Amino acid sequence: AQSVSQHNHHVILSEAASLELGCNYSYGGTVNLFWYVQYPGQHLQLLLKYFSGDPLVKGIKGFEAEFIKSKFSFNLRKPSVQWSDTAEYFCAVTARGGYQKVTFGTGTKLQVIP
Amino acid sequence: GAVVSQHPSRVICKSGTSVKIECRSLDFQATTMFWYRQFPKKSLMLMATSNEGSKATYEQGVEKDKFLINHASLTLSTLTVTSAHPEDSSFYICSALRAGNEQFFGPGTRLTVL
Repeated sequence: AQSVSQHNHHVILSEAASLELGCNYSYGGTVNLFWYVQYPGQHLQLLLKYFSGDPLVKGIKGFEAEFIKSKFSFNLRKPSVQWSDTAEYFCAVTARGGYQKVTFGTGTKLQVIP
Repeated sequence: GAVVSQHPSRVICKSGTSVKIECRSLDFQATTMFWYRQFPKKSLMLMATSNEGSKATYEQGVEKDKFLINHASLTLSTLTVTSAHPEDSSFYICSALRAGNEQFFGPGTRLTVL
């Protein structure tokens, strides 16, 4: 079974600071990787996903993530955060093919201070 | 992006009663839907996978007789919490799987059992 760990539970940044949220997964096979965002009072939305190809994936709102297979990592980055990025961010993984069970990390709460 | 709705958004019920939560994919057909439970300060926990026209697949530790799932059409799945107890109070989220292996999440239902 797969598992996902997010090391940062709560991150506080000032506007314009750079962001990197860690995500590591554990699974013996090929995976699909996702980052979801949940803004206050809203539902989960997909930020970006990696299925195959270029390991550097660009998503919405200036976010990107890099899949490093050797490190089993899929860290989320943004060069300059805005107050509107305040939200909770979840990393998720599914085994590729077949039954699409998604395993989520515990989430990282990002607070951006104006 | 695709839209998934949940109804009701919030429900308060007495202990021992049953509560039904609906999940609808509004602009695409979904043969597979998922039901999650989100605990405070924790990640989403997959409860079950709902397949249109067949029995749901429950995750280990989830009581199928307590959390009844019905996926009667390609756009509707329902979760019924039977004989609810205060420990069932939680945030329940559904998602619908669209072709291309992308999940779209509903806004969630806050259940409070008194």
